[in-house]
This record gives sequence, C-alpha cells and structure tokens, in this order.
Amino acid sequence: DAMVIQNPRYQVTQFGKPVTLSCSQTLNHNVMYWYQQKSSQAPKLLFHYYDKDFNNEADTPDNFQSRRPNTSFCFLDIRSPGLGDAAMYLCATSRDTVAETQYFGPGTRLLVL
Amino acid sequence: GEDVEQSLFLSVREGDSSVINCTYTDSSSTYLYWYKQEPGAGLQLLTYIFSNMDMKQDQRLTVLLNKKDKHLSLRIADTQTGDSAIYFCAENTGTASKLTFGTGTRLQVTL
Repeated sequence: DAMVIQNPRYQVTQFGKPVTLSCSQTLNHNVMYWYQQKSSQAPKLLFHYYDKDFNNEADTPDNFQSRRPNTSFCFLDIRSPGLGDAAMYLCATSRDTVAETQYFGPGTRLLVL
Repeated sequence: GEDVEQSLFLSVREGDSSVINCTYTDSSSTYLYWYKQEPGAGLQLLTYIFSNMDMKQDQRLTVLLNKKDKHLSLRIADTQTGDSAIYFCAENTGTASKLTFGTGTRLQVTL
C-alpha cells in the first residue's frame, strides 16, 4: 500500500546533540511537510517542500532545518535540541499545494534529555 | 484570522451518536477536513468536505457545513470504543499549502 513512513518512531537525544528524523513516501507526491505537535496541542507547520523548493514558516526557529534529497525522502534536522523541542514530529505529503489533501505518517516522538 | 476552535472533550456511551463541533474563521477556506489521532499515533484522515457542499455522508460519518456561521460538525453514528481518540478539524484555504488545525476534541466512549 502507498504510504508515508517515519523512522524512528521514538527518538531520544541529549540536550544540544544534533538529531535527524526521517520521512519517506511511496505516494509519489510533490509536496512534503513537517509538523511539530506538542502535548495536547494541534500540529504546527514548520516547513514544506514543493518538489525541491523549500518553504519555511515565518515562526519556525533557525534550529530546525530540512533536506529533501529526492522525491521520496525528506529529513528534519534539529541542530541543537532544547528541552522545549520535545514533541511529536509529523510528516505529511500531498499531491500539490492548492486545496490538496494531506496524508500523514505515524510520527516520531522526540525526547530530549 | 485563521483560528479554528473546538470543544476540548466529549464523552458518549457506546452505541450512541457523537457530534464533534468546529468553528473556523477564514471564509475563504475551500476544503475542511476531519482527522483522527489515536494515542501516540499520527493523524488519520477521516473525511473532508468541499466548501460548496452542505453535507457529506460516509458510512457512519456525517459532516455538516454551515458556511454562514463558519461551523463544521462531525457526527459519528453508533459510536464504538475504537472511536475513542482526539479529533481535529482543519481548514485549507487553497491559497497556500498550510493546513490550520483546530485545538482537537478528545472523544471518550464509555460502556
């Protein structure tokens, strides 16, 4: 089945130690998104890629970066995780950006010690 | 503005109907969505409605849209314990890729 896959499902890192979260998709969608969801809150969009074009949300901290080496994969890099970065990170894809349904992966829960 | 509001909690008995409400403020929204999130999991798309529709039915799910009042609801018929989860409404204005989510409603189904 076509799907959005996130690895790992759980990630533990140390304060200040860089960490990378991975997302892959078999839907062949043009757009890939990264959302941050803190406990008991709604998901918040960090950025998205339309093909190779990177689009950052205005309030996304510089500590968060992303890479999309090809259509299938997208990575979220947190350069220096702080305790406040502990959250669920959700990857999503859509065929296009305008009025297109987004399909979500299972998420990676990040714990910062 | 793009604030989307939901009530935080709803408790229903198994077999009863559940109605989860959502109020949005962006009248230019083209699609409105309902997602389900089980504990520790990602978001599962349940259904969506285009803004020129008033109602959409999909098996046990019925979505009602009142554009005048900017009110969206999700009705789950014959609610089961497996329906216990957090339900998020979300809007996509169609002018950008951004989905704006509501605050989420936690549905608890009791026996």
